[in-house]
Amino acid sequence: ILNVEQSPQSLHVQEGDSTNFTCSFPSSNFYALHWYRWETAKSPEALFVMTLNGDEKKKGRISATLNTKEGYSYLYIKGSQPEDSATYLCAFSSGNEKLTFGTGTRLTIIP
Amino acid sequence: DTEVTQTPKHLVMGMTNKKSLKCEQHMGHRAMYWYKQKAKKPPELMFVYSYEKLSINESVPSRFSPECPNSSLLNLHLHALQPEDSALYLCASSPRAARTGGSGTEAFFGQGTRLTVV
Repeated sequence: ILNVEQSPQSLHVQEGDSTNFTCSFPSSNFYALHWYRWETAKSPEALFVMTLNGDEKKKGRISATLNTKEGYSYLYIKGSQPEDSATYLCAFSSGNEKLTFGTGTRLTIIP
Repeated sequence: DTEVTQTPKHLVMGMTNKKSLKCEQHMGHRAMYWYKQKAKKPPELMFVYSYEKLSINESVPSRFSPECPNSSLLNLHLHALQPEDSALYLCASSPRAARTGGSGTEAFFGQGTRLTVV
């Protein structure tokens, strides 16, 4: 059974502050690490798919890093806005079509 | 069109009913997925279809029966479900299936069907 863990489980951040959270995954049989944002009553939306150790990806104020040797990825949000409130899920792939999801970090931005 | 459409959005069914969930995408994706999500848990993979063939069945009970009639459509047939099967059922698709590097590309999700078994 693959263990994909995310921390913290929930987070309250003041608008304008920056924040980050962690995804831990198995360091063996790594193929890809996905990040998704899931807003209430909407579909999960892909943020990043990362495949290479040391990868850094950025989309606007959100960025992510990947360390496959030690099995972790960080997601950073700079200058949080109310629209960033969502659950952020990471998902691990070992190369077949199966994604194993973490339990998510629920982020609430306080105006 | 970058949408995955799931119908119905909500479904209440009795334990003796037969119902179907439907998922549709018109992005030309060749991999389609069913996930089940219970409250405060991560989505769990149920089935994967790759090039319209079932490629992964995560030991799902036979009361759930998937079907992929064509490359755009994925169904989940439900029969004799139990109350513990109540959950959010998510469909997803992705551009590539495993033999061309699946799971290295993002998955596109529908909004899900909220199923309640009474």
